[in-house]
Amino acid sequence: AQSVAQPEDQVNVAEGNPLTVKCTYSVSGNPYLFWYVQYPNRGLQFLLKYITGDNLVKGSYGFEAEFNKSQTSFHLKKPSALVSDSALYFCAVRGPGAGSYQLTFGKGTKLSVIP
Amino acid sequence: NAGVTQTPKFRILKIGQSMTLQCTQDMNHNYMYWYRQDPGMGLKLIYYSVGAGITDKGEVPNGYNVSRSTTEDFPLRLELAAPSQTSVYFCASTLGNSYEQYFGPGTRLTVT
Repeated sequence: AQSVAQPEDQVNVAEGNPLTVKCTYSVSGNPYLFWYVQYPNRGLQFLLKYITGDNLVKGSYGFEAEFNKSQTSFHLKKPSALVSDSALYFCAVRGPGAGSYQLTFGKGTKLSVIP
Repeated sequence: NAGVTQTPKFRILKIGQSMTLQCTQDMNHNYMYWYRQDPGMGLKLIYYSVGAGITDKGEVPNGYNVSRSTTEDFPLRLELAAPSQTSVYFCASTLGNSYEQYFGPGTRLTVT
């Protein structure tokens, strides 16, 4: 079965500094990987995905993610953090099988950007 | 487009009561999903549907039922509510050839 691990429950970063939110995955076959963001009292919003191609994927709001097959990682990055980036971030991997559009989510990482 | 809408936003149930959480999408998506989100636990898939008339169990289906009579609607039924069903419930949808799920705003349910 596929799984996703987000090793940090919380990440704190100063405004203007680069940020990284970590994600590692386990899945049979080629991984389809995703990042979602959740603001307080809201549903999840799609940020970016890796299906195939370049290992560096660019997404919404200036976020990008780096796929590393050898380390089975898909870390989310942003060169310069904004206070408005403070939210809960979820990494997800597509599940296998007939219902292949299912997603398995990590537990989430709370990002706090300090002014 | 309104996207994915969910009603109600909040609900308090007594143990043993039943209710239906409503979910509607206006994007003509064929796939729809129900998740529950518990603090520190991420999202767990309850049920999903690949089209009208077709539903299947996810990771945590016990205590829930679904139906999909139209493309737009995917209600989630709770029978005999239990405190363990206290959670935030999210509905989501996607087109079959896209992997980006669109989420509703959620329903916060408390069972006491």
